[in-house]
Amino acid sequence: DQQVKQNSPSLSVQEGRISILNCDYTNSMFDYFLWYKKYPAEGPTFLISISSIKDKNEDGRFTVFLNKSAKHLSLHIVPSQPGDSAVYFCAASDLSGGSNYKLTFGKGTLLTVNP
Amino acid sequence: DTEVTQTPKHLVMGMTNKKSLKCEQHMGHRAMYWYKQKAKKPPELMFVYSYEKLSINESVPSRFSPECPNSSLLNLHLHALQPEDSALYLCASSQGQAPTYEQYFGPGTRLTVT
Repeated sequence: DQQVKQNSPSLSVQEGRISILNCDYTNSMFDYFLWYKKYPAEGPTFLISISSIKDKNEDGRFTVFLNKSAKHLSLHIVPSQPGDSAVYFCAASDLSGGSNYKLTFGKGTLLTVNP
Repeated sequence: DTEVTQTPKHLVMGMTNKKSLKCEQHMGHRAMYWYKQKAKKPPELMFVYSYEKLSINESVPSRFSPECPNSSLLNLHLHALQPEDSALYLCASSQGQAPTYEQYFGPGTRLTVT
């Protein structure tokens, strides 16, 4: 049973345009969400996070939006750059300590930014 | 230094072999993790150590045996593995176990069991 779903295995975007990566979750106990980026032959790197008390968090070109009622979050990258080409993982956790703070990851979305 | 190192990068082992994966960090982090990742799948948590004590074991088979000799090192001892255990094994560390602490990942060890 996948509690965190990234339904788009891949996304292709032109350089300079907006990239929107989507993530859905089913566990209503999740209240902290993270995005990680992974290049080939490297480990995942933390990108940005959001807690359920917010609906938006911004860091430079990266913005994460959270819609709690829809159990949906999205990562916006504006403007997209070729160096952003990577696999993006959505992850979720329960800040109350349920499941011992374990991160549950989605399957990832491969973003390709074309020059 | 924000690096988590893992050795070896690649490992091929037979089903009767015993081998170990090693992970090291020098960021003073007190939580360390082992994840397993199969192709086109998300990372799956295996073990968590917090302050050098095993905090989480995600019902991992006993052929995987973790060890935390000190706060900087994390080992994963492998014995009598099966071909389906072939995967990328990722180590991570963070200041604490709460998810608000960023996890830093190593590059992984690509394990092939023949």
